[in-house]
Amino acid sequence: KQEVTQIPAALSVPEGENLVLNCSFTDSAIYNLQWFRQDPGKGLTSLLLIQSSQREQTSGRLNASLDKSSGRSTLYIAASQPGDSATYLCAVNGDRGSTLGRLYFGRGTQLTVWP
Amino acid sequence: KAGVTQTPRYLIKTRGQQVTLSCSPISGHRSVSWYQQTPGQGLQFLFEYFSETQRNKGNFPGRFSGRQFSNSRSEMNVSTLELGDSALYLCASRPGTEVDTIYFGEGSWLTVV
Repeated sequence: KQEVTQIPAALSVPEGENLVLNCSFTDSAIYNLQWFRQDPGKGLTSLLLIQSSQREQTSGRLNASLDKSSGRSTLYIAASQPGDSATYLCAVNGDRGSTLGRLYFGRGTQLTVWP
Repeated sequence: KAGVTQTPRYLIKTRGQQVTLSCSPISGHRSVSWYQQTPGQGLQFLFEYFSETQRNKGNFPGRFSGRQFSNSRSEMNVSTLELGDSALYLCASRPGTEVDTIYFGEGSWLTVV
């Protein structure tokens, strides 16, 4: 069964710092990996999607990498801002049988960026 | 383009009752999936529908059911509510293939008392 782990569970940093959030998964048979942001009481907003054949994706100050063979992904946030404060969730999309089309989520990293 | 719309946003039900939640996907999207989010279990997959057919189902009891209509709108139903069913229920849509980005709605907050 696919299991997704995110480290750290919580992170509190001053504005301007560069951050790395980690995600690991146990089964490398994935279609893609997606990073989401969730603000308190809200739904999920997709940040980046990396296909299983890709190594990284970038969007603005965000960069996500994927090492499928080792079951790891990192989300790099450059020059963090207070508006980045949220919970960041990693999810992998299964690629076969009963896992096809379903997302397996980590528990998230709760990020606080203070001014 | 309108996003994924879920109704109602908040509701309170009593143990033993049943509840129906509704989801309207992004226009043109044919896949709708449902997730339950709780502090204890995190986000868990309930089921996915594609062109009115259930394509995949998570490990939830039979009290949880869903359906999809010809216009891709979806409903999920929970019968005989238990206190542990209190959660944020999230609906998500995508055009139809696993390679597509998935888009989530704001969710329906269900409290069972």
